[in-house]
Amino acid sequence: AQSVTQLGSHVSVSEGALVLLRCNYSSSVPPYLFWYVQYPNQGLQLLLKYTSAATLVKGINGFEAEFKKSETSFHLTKPSAHMSDAAEYFCAVSPGIGTDKLIFGTGTRLQVFP
Amino acid sequence: DTGVSQDPRHKITKRGQNVTFRCDPISEHNRLYWYRQTLGQGPEFLTYFQNEAQLEKSRLLSDRFSAERPKGSFSTLEIQRTEQGDSAMYLCASSRGQGSGELFFGEGSRLTVL
Repeated sequence: AQSVTQLGSHVSVSEGALVLLRCNYSSSVPPYLFWYVQYPNQGLQLLLKYTSAATLVKGINGFEAEFKKSETSFHLTKPSAHMSDAAEYFCAVSPGIGTDKLIFGTGTRLQVFP
Repeated sequence: DTGVSQDPRHKITKRGQNVTFRCDPISEHNRLYWYRQTLGQGPEFLTYFQNEAQLEKSRLLSDRFSAERPKGSFSTLEIQRTEQGDSAMYLCASSRGQGSGELFFGEGSRLTVL
């Protein structure tokens, strides 16, 4: 069975500071990994995805994530936080080929202070 | 904008009543997914369709839940004899079904059972 664990349900950073949201996965097969973002009163949208190509994946709005098999991690980072980054972020895993079904983590709410 | 739309956005009902939610996916997408999200949790998979065929149902989907996708277009999710534990956000998503993991989510239908 596949699963993801997001460490820290809430993360607070100052504007301009580094954003680091943690995600660890468990999978018996090479996983596809995703980060989705949910802004207030909006649907979830894809930030970025890892599908076994490059281990460093760049997404929208300056976010990136690095797949580290040895650590079973897929942490999300952004060098400099903006106020507009305040949202809930979900890590997700998929068994990959042939399915779009995703298993989501519990989410991390990012607050950005001026 | 021809994104995923869900109706109603909010539904308040009394315990024991039946409720139905509708989802209109992006028109060229052949896969449609239903997820449930409760406070402090990530989205949990309920069921998905490829065209009109329901291909997978989660064990979370009790006998009181039924989903349909007639003609492979819009989908409905019906909950019979609602219970307070059914209170949640019901999310619909669609995809092109190419196994990319990119789901396009609607804004959700929030159910409150009194």
